Amino acid sequence: DQQVKQNSPSLSVQEGRISILNCDYTNSMFDYFLWYKKYPAEGPTFLISISSIKDKNEDGRFTVFLNKSAKHLSLHIVPSQPGDSAVYFCAVFIYNFNKFYFGSGTKLNVKP
Amino acid sequence: NAGVTQTPKFRILKIGQSMTLQCAQDMNHNYMYWYRQDPGMGLKLIYYSVGAGITDKGEVPNGYNVSRSTTEDFPLRLELAAPSQTSVYFCASSYSRSGGTLSGETQYFGPGTRLLVL
Repeated sequence: DQQVKQNSPSLSVQEGRISILNCDYTNSMFDYFLWYKKYPAEGPTFLISISSIKDKNEDGRFTVFLNKSAKHLSLHIVPSQPGDSAVYFCAVFIYNFNKFYFGSGTKLNVKP
Repeated sequence: NAGVTQTPKFRILKIGQSMTLQCAQDMNHNYMYWYRQDPGMGLKLIYYSVGAGITDKGEVPNGYNVSRSTTEDFPLRLELAAPSQTSVYFCASSYSRSGGTLSGETQYFGPGTRLLVL
């Protein structure tokens, strides 16, 4: 019973172009949506988040979009840089249960 | 400020052996979590704690035990290791500003412990 799905296991993008990572969720009760970035042999690190009452949040090159009607979350990276190459996890949070649920991750490769 | 630390980094266990994965944080966070990540899968919550002396089960608690005697430490115990417990284990912590309700902002993760059960 997957609460969060990342259907693309990998994505390859040219440096300078836009990277779009997608995430679908099942439960309309989720309160918060987050993106984490993970390099090999390291733990995930927080990247950007968005509350369920918003539809967009921007932080530098990173923008997260939330489409509640479609239960869809996306992360845009513009412009993409080789240092962005990592695995990206989306996660959702529900206050009532104090728990996070993670997607399976998308491996982004930004080619120089 | 070391953040979240985990030991060991890697361990090989035989079936039926037991071990404790250590996790410590120096950020005075009240919430702590244990996750496991299997290949090609997302992180699955094993146990979590909202403060010293309080723990609760996550999605996949079977075969594990935890304790939280201090704010800083949150060890994970495997009593009878099984091959199905081969995974990478991540500890995380976060801070809740209001009692019983998480801020929803972020978790800070440790570097992980890679466990192989043969």
